[in-house]
Amino acid sequence: EPEVTQTPSHQVTQMGQEVILRCVPISNHLYFYWYRQILGQKVEFLVSFYNNEISEKSEIFDDQFSVERPDGSNFTLKIRSTKLEDSAMYFCASSEVVSLAKPGANVLTFGAGSRLTVL
Amino acid sequence: RKEVEQDPGPFNVPEGATVAFNCTYSNSASQSFFWYRQDCRKEPKLLMSVYSSGNEDGRFTAQLNRASQYISLLIRDSKLSDSATYLCVVNSYRTGGFKTIFGAGTRLFVKA
Repeated sequence: EPEVTQTPSHQVTQMGQEVILRCVPISNHLYFYWYRQILGQKVEFLVSFYNNEISEKSEIFDDQFSVERPDGSNFTLKIRSTKLEDSAMYFCASSEVVSLAKPGANVLTFGAGSRLTVL
Repeated sequence: RKEVEQDPGPFNVPEGATVAFNCTYSNSASQSFFWYRQDCRKEPKLLMSVYSSGNEDGRFTAQLNRASQYISLLIRDSKLSDSATYLCVVNSYRTGGFKTIFGAGTRLFVKA
């Protein structure tokens, strides 16, 4: 079964450092996403990405965050200057082409997550 | 009002019980709906899509009421392995893109 892979599985960093989280989406998927989940809290949308540009972003996704698809396979989330409150599990997801004609379409497949701990 | 709201739980039920979860969403333009399951410290995984006519997958039944902006999940004959957090998920489409929003989740504990 195709899967979304994320690296690293766990990263510990000092406050103020830059962090890059990497994701390899499912190969025939065209939509990519980042979500985060602070321990014990809900899964929060950060950003969606399609056709090499951001499609939607939340208010959480401020100037310290950026996303990139540097080659044909990787999708990265960069946090420029980490804060303590950035500590969370970051999930990458991908989906096939969005279809308004198929209500059951647009299922997101998630990676196992990257746990970020900011000290 | 939250975009997607769920019963907070936790629901503690014995094996074999029937349990129902509810979810409401605020955006009437929402187009597609899902239930995901999340085990502790794991990623969310699709449980089932929710169709307008209602749909069933084994012990699980999902219903959608667009007029009331309400989604439900019914689990019959609960198993120990059903213990997890159940996430109500809503897709809302807008020009240029769409957003997939998760509810906060309902925790279910099934006890022997």
